Amino acid sequence: GAVVSQHPSRVICKSGTSVKIECRSLDFQATTMFWYRQFPKQSLMLMATSNEGSKATYEQGVEKDKFLINHASLTLSTLTVTSAHPEDSSFYICSASPAGQETQYFGPGTRLLVL
Amino acid sequence: QKEVEQDPGPLSVPEGAIVSLNCTYSNSAFQYFMWYRQYSRKGPELLMYTYSSGNKEDGRFTAQVDKSSKYISLFIRDSQPSDSATYLCAMSANFGGAQKLVFGQGTRLTINP
Repeated sequence: GAVVSQHPSRVICKSGTSVKIECRSLDFQATTMFWYRQFPKQSLMLMATSNEGSKATYEQGVEKDKFLINHASLTLSTLTVTSAHPEDSSFYICSASPAGQETQYFGPGTRLLVL
Repeated sequence: QKEVEQDPGPLSVPEGAIVSLNCTYSNSAFQYFMWYRQYSRKGPELLMYTYSSGNKEDGRFTAQVDKSSKYISLFIRDSQPSDSATYLCAMSANFGGAQKLVFGQGTRLTINP
């Protein structure tokens, strides 16, 4: 149980284009989903907290207009990187918390490379 | 000073050894404590979860929490090459009305056959 999927697993795009990443909880409902970014050999950095049916809460320093988050249902959250630039290249990981639990279950991650 | 301190290693031990991984923290508001394992280019996998001081055992893994010292540990017995990964400690607290995880830097562990 507690499986989280992400799609795509890897994406290469040109500078200036937008990229959408999907995060799904496969066997549980998640009122809250989280989006993280991880640079090589570093720990996870929380970007935003996504609550179903409401606006996402962004961490300090994260541009909400650049990283659009939509949490349309209890099993799906999306992150759209708008007008991507090479400095946005990173490993993006989502996580989800089952209702009433403090633990987070992570997706397999999406590796984004912006050329 | 970071909220959660974890020695990044790398740590290299022979197969079969007992591994001890540790984290310290400064914020007494942390209520829940987790250990995640992350293989290269993969998402973190939840290994252990606890919320009280003491020990919790699951197979070859034992999580230990000492809230008075703000110190948590993960022990791996009979370590296997497949245990080679980065181990992340994580702690949960309510920040501004939202429950969030704060991660340690992660310890890179290699088990040598």
